[in-house]
Amino acid sequence: DGGITQSPKYLFRKEGQNVTLSCEQNLNHDAMYWYRQDPGQGLRLIYYSQIVNDFQKGDIAEGYSVSREKKESFPLTVTSAQKNPTAFYLCASSIEGRVLNRKGYTFGSGTRLTVV
Amino acid sequence: SQQGEEDPQALSIQEGENATMNCSYKTSINNLQWYRQNSGRGLVHLILIRSNEREKHSGRLRVTLDTSKKSSSLLITASRAADTASYFCATDAYNAGNMLTFGGGTRLMVKP
Repeated sequence: DGGITQSPKYLFRKEGQNVTLSCEQNLNHDAMYWYRQDPGQGLRLIYYSQIVNDFQKGDIAEGYSVSREKKESFPLTVTSAQKNPTAFYLCASSIEGRVLNRKGYTFGSGTRLTVV
Repeated sequence: SQQGEEDPQALSIQEGENATMNCSYKTSINNLQWYRQNSGRGLVHLILIRSNEREKHSGRLRVTLDTSKKSSSLLITASRAADTASYFCATDAYNAGNMLTFGGGTRLMVKP
């Protein structure tokens, strides 16, 4: 079955460390997204990519970086510049940047990042 | 910035009752979608309604859209304990580069 896989499920980061969250999809989707979710809150867009080797900042990109070297992969690095990184991170993909089909976004199961 | 705002923020009902959640948004949209999130999990797409549609059904779900009021509602009929989750609306707006913008969600608890 096709899907989108995020790893690890739980991640602990020490102050000043960079950490990378993995997101892989085998749905042949063109577009991929990273969202941050804080407890009891909605989703805020960090970065998105509509095509390989291209990505755009979302609403809260400061302190984060991404790459899109392959269609299947869209890793997110949380850098030491992100002052409050403890959150639930969700990766999603869609068949194309414009949501023309009726399936919407497909989400991974998330990575919970905690600063220790 | 959040395009969609859900109301209520939390809803508690008994099994068998209907649950209604509302979503309001600010700018013109291409479509509006509803998603479900179980605690600590990713979101699952439930239903999409286009801006030229007024009502959609999918099983026990009924979604309405009123573009004149910039609002949508999600009705879950004959609720079950397994419907306990957070529900989010998301809008695909003309002025947002066709990216989805999510609201803050409604936390639904269905008591057995």
